[in-house]
Amino acid sequence: NAGVTQTPKFRVLKTGQSMTLLCAQDMNHEYMYWYRQDPGMGLRLIHYSVGEGTTAKGEVPDGYNVSRLKKQNFLLGLESAAPSQTSVYFCASSPTGQRGEQYFGPGTRLTVT
Amino acid sequence: EDQVTQSPEALRLQEGESSSLNCSYTVSGLRGLFWYRQDPGKGPEFLFTLYSAGEEKEKERLKATLTKKESFLHITAPKPEDSATYLCAVYSGGYQKVTFGIGTKLQVIP
Repeated sequence: NAGVTQTPKFRVLKTGQSMTLLCAQDMNHEYMYWYRQDPGMGLRLIHYSVGEGTTAKGEVPDGYNVSRLKKQNFLLGLESAAPSQTSVYFCASSPTGQRGEQYFGPGTRLTVT
Repeated sequence: EDQVTQSPEALRLQEGESSSLNCSYTVSGLRGLFWYRQDPGKGPEFLFTLYSAGEEKEKERLKATLTKKESFLHITAPKPEDSATYLCAVYSGGYQKVTFGIGTKLQVIP
């Protein structure tokens, strides 16, 4: 099992550009999450999904959109990147939701100039 | 609003020198407390879940305990490979939101 994979690993964008981050999991988990991690702050939830075809807003959803067309994939989109979105993005999946363990991907380091 | 405070921010230990990391929390009703390990440049790796005061979990040199206000991660006779940032998180129910602490960066010197 590959677990949770994320592509790309690194990306540099200019302000106003758009991009999509891809997360894939092969553990058949219902729940999937997108987080961002910034220096001096804990992981913050951007969006989440409780199953195929569902999405919901987390703690810091502004400027991001998501889609879960297939159970194994969870996409995070930035329509018009801003420097404030410079961060490390982690995808996670869980068999039981937030009341249980989560399995994280390796992260994507995004820089917006 | 749920809050998690971890201390110390950084800890440097000699190999074999046991110590504890602290996670104090403020929640409206604890439904779960989690410990994760994060190595540089990698995603967090799940270690433990604790659900009620008095509960303890062990894994190799690590032991997690829980009271009504805080959790401790005890590290017994640490080795250099235990060097990592240890994250604490709490879940209080409601919508899908876990509150993470900033973490304790542990360095174990040979």
